[in-house]
Amino acid sequence: EVQLVESGGGLEQPGRSLRLSCAASGFTFDDYAMHWVRQAPGKGLEWVSGISWNSGSIGYADSVKGRFTISRDNAKNSLYLQMNSLRAEDTALYYCAKDSAYDYGGDFQHWGQGTLVTVSS
Amino acid sequence: EIVLTQSPDFQSVTPKEKVTITCRASQSIGSNLHWYQQKADQSTKLLIKYASQSFSGVPSRFSGSGSGTDFTLTINSLEAEDAATYYCHQSSSLPYTFGQGTKLEIK
Repeated sequence: EVQLVESGGGLEQPGRSLRLSCAASGFTFDDYAMHWVRQAPGKGLEWVSGISWNSGSIGYADSVKGRFTISRDNAKNSLYLQMNSLRAEDTALYYCAKDSAYDYGGDFQHWGQGTLVTVSS
Repeated sequence: EIVLTQSPDFQSVTPKEKVTITCRASQSIGSNLHWYQQKADQSTKLLIKYASQSFSGVPSRFSGSGSGTDFTLTINSLEAEDAATYYCHQSSSLPYTFGQGTKLEIK
């Protein structure tokens, strides 16, 4: 059974940093691209970033480009999101999602339950 | 950026009714359109991939159609457990985008 478990969320002040993690199990992690998707309270889904199986292709939403960095460690079956220069508008539930393909561009077949990030002074 | 516009935003329906949700893209995306179901306290689930392909384990009452700019998610014979918010998503070009969501309420 595919499992994606996010962690690392919490309350942080504007301008500070946070690192999210996603622990994957139940599938061959390095066969698939992975993504981060977020959802602000009461709002819809927003794609944040994606990374191909070998980290060779990476993409970001304009709203986080230059501030967030996605990475993965295939040996540890883990996905990460380094979030710097946090803003109030980054407050959201952050989901880890598994792509259907090795190079992102497919559907998001499995999702985690999310980790909540709150940016406030 | 490709904008996806869903309609309706909200619909109240009775069990066994047929429901149609539409998703319109601001430019052609071929068949790179996927549908998801989101319920409170559950992980988001893929229903339909590439416009019309059912994902494994999804009940047969869910189906999808369309290509280019206009897409439809159909739920035949709605069940109480289908109360949820439904999102379309395009993977044609970066940045990937989602529709604003359609909330289904069961009467």
